[in-house]
Amino acid sequence: GESVGLHLPTLSVQEGDNSIINCAYSNSASDYFIWYKQESGKGPQFIIDIRSNMDKRQGQRVTVLLNKTVKHLSLQIAATQPGDSAVYFCAETGSARQLTFGSGTQLTVLP
Amino acid sequence: EPEVTQTPSHQVTQMGQEVILRCVPISNHLYFYWYRQILGQKVEFLVSFYNNEISEKSEIFDDQFSVERPDGSNFTLKIRSTKLEDSAMYFCASIGTSGSTGELFFGEGSRLTVL
Repeated sequence: GESVGLHLPTLSVQEGDNSIINCAYSNSASDYFIWYKQESGKGPQFIIDIRSNMDKRQGQRVTVLLNKTVKHLSLQIAATQPGDSAVYFCAETGSARQLTFGSGTQLTVLP
Repeated sequence: EPEVTQTPSHQVTQMGQEVILRCVPISNHLYFYWYRQILGQKVEFLVSFYNNEISEKSEIFDDQFSVERPDGSNFTLKIRSTKLEDSAMYFCASIGTSGSTGELFFGEGSRLTVL
């Protein structure tokens, strides 16, 4: 079936460095993608989204890139801080309002 | 900032018992969801609810599960006869009036432990 998955389960970066978290999706009909951050013991928190008619979107310290040709999504975090340590999920809309989540990448920021 | 609130934060129950998880979505939101996350795994869609009825449900959401909006504020998930494999975090979420998935607001979750 259609799925959304992540390339790497864990990522460790030095504080101040940039982080890149990747995600592959298989549903070519997906038209909306979202990155969520989940801290330990908490619910997913919206970070940034992008529609399929765009290939890049920027927020505060975060950028999402979408490559529809290879069905690849990435989240870039600039100047990673200790508070960025969390699990990051990509998600896509498989139907009108139902999100399909990927498996998650654990980002650890090293001092 | 408005938020989705869930109770209880943690519930321990015996296998076969009924469990009700409660959620208070953001007050002007119209679309409500339950998601589940087994420890260490991804977040999985269970059910969506709009206009007092289920709009979509996943394969996980079998006859043991039901949802209800008994009044104007609460949104509940009932598991009729819990199984060990129902142990998970259950997240309630809601979306505003546009219905766009845009920014799905999640609650902090209710951890269910089935013994």
